[in-house]
Amino acid sequence: DTEVTQTPKHLVMGMTNKKSLKCEQHMGHRAMYWYKQKAKKPPELMFVYSYEKLSINESVPSRFSPECPNSSLLNLHLHALQPEDSALYLCASSQVSSEARRNTEAFFGQGTRLTVV
Amino acid sequence: SQQGEEDPQALSIQEGENATMNCSYKTSINNLQWYRQNSGRGLVHLILIRSNEREKHSGRLRVTLDTSKKSSSLLITASRAADTASYFCATVYNQGGKLIFGQGTELSVKP
Repeated sequence: DTEVTQTPKHLVMGMTNKKSLKCEQHMGHRAMYWYKQKAKKPPELMFVYSYEKLSINESVPSRFSPECPNSSLLNLHLHALQPEDSALYLCASSQVSSEARRNTEAFFGQGTRLTVV
Repeated sequence: SQQGEEDPQALSIQEGENATMNCSYKTSINNLQWYRQNSGRGLVHLILIRSNEREKHSGRLRVTLDTSKKSSSLLITASRAADTASYFCATVYNQGGKLIFGQGTELSVKP
């Protein structure tokens, strides 16, 4: 199974809502990532989890709150978002870079298309 | 920013022609990868080239890496309409192990 599954595929939320994005993989990968992608732009790294611990936070606003409850699951909790946060949110997983520095292919989910109204 | 540059930003060719995309990056890398993204969907890994490799092939794909010029190129031979997508290079930098994407090339292959 080389699949990363993201739910939901689409999400529309108001600025006062609280919602969560979910990501799941069963490849035994111990590194998981959240990326944000605006139209016609490259994915921008938000967070990296390594062995279920947050290892990188790319200065993301606190209205985005990541969580890694176990080695297969990654969540992104959303609260009080702004319309400019509308984007495609991508989850990815890979082997932990320090263990396999020469083989860090990342597997991506299909993304959640988020619209903040 | 550690993000590299890609050129061209957009490329339109006819089926059967070859497509070449270039990528430049800024600091020393562990490896360089190419990904493909169909419109509004997830990214698919195409090929990885390590910093000590100069050329790699996979099917109709050929990737080169020149670490002295900090650049890479992706060649797709005998293109097909189904190759229409955005192509991104991504680098794993030696410090931090972060996978950082270049700006991307939007390829359109006309039947």
